[in-house]
Amino acid sequence: DQQVKQNSPSLSVQEGRISILNCDYTNSMFDYFLWYKKYPAEGPTFLISISSIKDKNEDGRFTVFLNKSAKHLSLHIVPSQPGDSAVYFCAASERWEAAGNKLTFGGGTRVLVKP
Amino acid sequence: DTEVTQTPKHLVMGMTNKKSLKCEQHMGHRAMYWYKQKAKKPPELMFVYSYEKLSINESVPSRFSPECPNSSLLNLHLHALQPEDSALYLCASSQARTGYGYTFGSGTRLTVV
Repeated sequence: DQQVKQNSPSLSVQEGRISILNCDYTNSMFDYFLWYKKYPAEGPTFLISISSIKDKNEDGRFTVFLNKSAKHLSLHIVPSQPGDSAVYFCAASERWEAAGNKLTFGGGTRVLVKP
Repeated sequence: DTEVTQTPKHLVMGMTNKKSLKCEQHMGHRAMYWYKQKAKKPPELMFVYSYEKLSINESVPSRFSPECPNSSLLNLHLHALQPEDSALYLCASSQARTGYGYTFGSGTRLTVV
């Protein structure tokens, strides 16, 4: 049972345009969401996160939107750059006080930004 | 220092070998994690240490043995692995109570022959 889903395995976008990545979740106990960027044979690099008490968080070219009622979040990258080409993972966490935070990952979306 | 450092970067081991993976962070994080990632799949949690105590074991086979000697170090001891255990092993750390600053290392690429 996949609790976090990224339904688009790949996305191709022109340099300078907006990239929109989508993520859906089923577990209503998730209250903290993160996006990571990953290159092959490297660890995931943190991009941006959002708490369930917010519906938007922005950091430079990256904005994450959260729709709790729809159990949906999205990552917008504007403008897209060739260096953004990578696999992007959505991850979600329940808050387990003092027990650490297990991240449940979506399947990833491969983004290709064309010059 | 905002990094999680993993050694070695690559490891090839036979099925009868014993080896260890090492992870170190100096961000003051009191939660540390081991994840396993197979090719074209997302990372999957193996173990969580919180305040140097094992808090989550995701039903990992006993041939994987984690150890947290202090708040900055996390080890994963490997013994009698199978070829299907070949994967990228990722260490991560975060603040324990909030999950903030969840940072991954670059991983150890393990091949079992």
